[in-house]
Amino acid sequence: EPEVTQTPSHQVTQMGQEVILRCVPISNHLYFYWYRQILGQKVEFLVSFYNNEISEKSEIFDDQFSVERPDGSNFTLKIRSTKLEDSAMYFCASSEGGPGWSPLHFGNGTRLTVT
Amino acid sequence: AQRVTQPEKLLSVFKGAPVELKCNYSYSGSPELFWYVQYSRQRLQLLLRHISRESIKGFTADLNKGETSFHLKKPFAQEEDSAMYYCALVDTGRRALTFGSGTRLQVQP
Repeated sequence: EPEVTQTPSHQVTQMGQEVILRCVPISNHLYFYWYRQILGQKVEFLVSFYNNEISEKSEIFDDQFSVERPDGSNFTLKIRSTKLEDSAMYFCASSEGGPGWSPLHFGNGTRLTVT
Repeated sequence: AQRVTQPEKLLSVFKGAPVELKCNYSYSGSPELFWYVQYSRQRLQLLLRHISRESIKGFTADLNKGETSFHLKKPFAQEEDSAMYYCALVDTGRRALTFGSGTRLQVQP
């Protein structure tokens, strides 16, 4: 069964550094998402992406965040200048149709630690 | 703003006992509601959705618009049901799935 893959599984970075989290969605899926989960807290929506543009974003997704689909397979989340509070598990997901109609398929996540 | 509330962080039952994981939502329109599950060392995955009115792994969930609830139920819990369960909502206008805080279900032998 096809799966969403995320790399790396764990990323450690220093405060102020830029990080790029990578995801390969399921190949025939059209909608892509990033979520994050701070330790002990709920899974929070960051952004959704469809037709090569952001379709929805939360208040968390401020100017330090950006997403890109640089080629036909990858979907990346960039954090420009990391802060301690960005430490979290970041989940990528994809779906065939919109989230109200198609289930989201999640990756295993990237644990980001900002020191 | 839409909100999903799961009041219990942890629910512990014995094998064979009934299970009810509570979920309440606040949304003024007609939401699409889901239950997602995360088993130990596995990825988050869809368990069921209200629109399908199906039973998956013995679990069912009924949307009660009067009580704005979407509780997840199973008559006889199994040890393999132990996992983290998330109630989630999509409103018809946004393209975003919003999760509750999750309930950890522990089924003891």
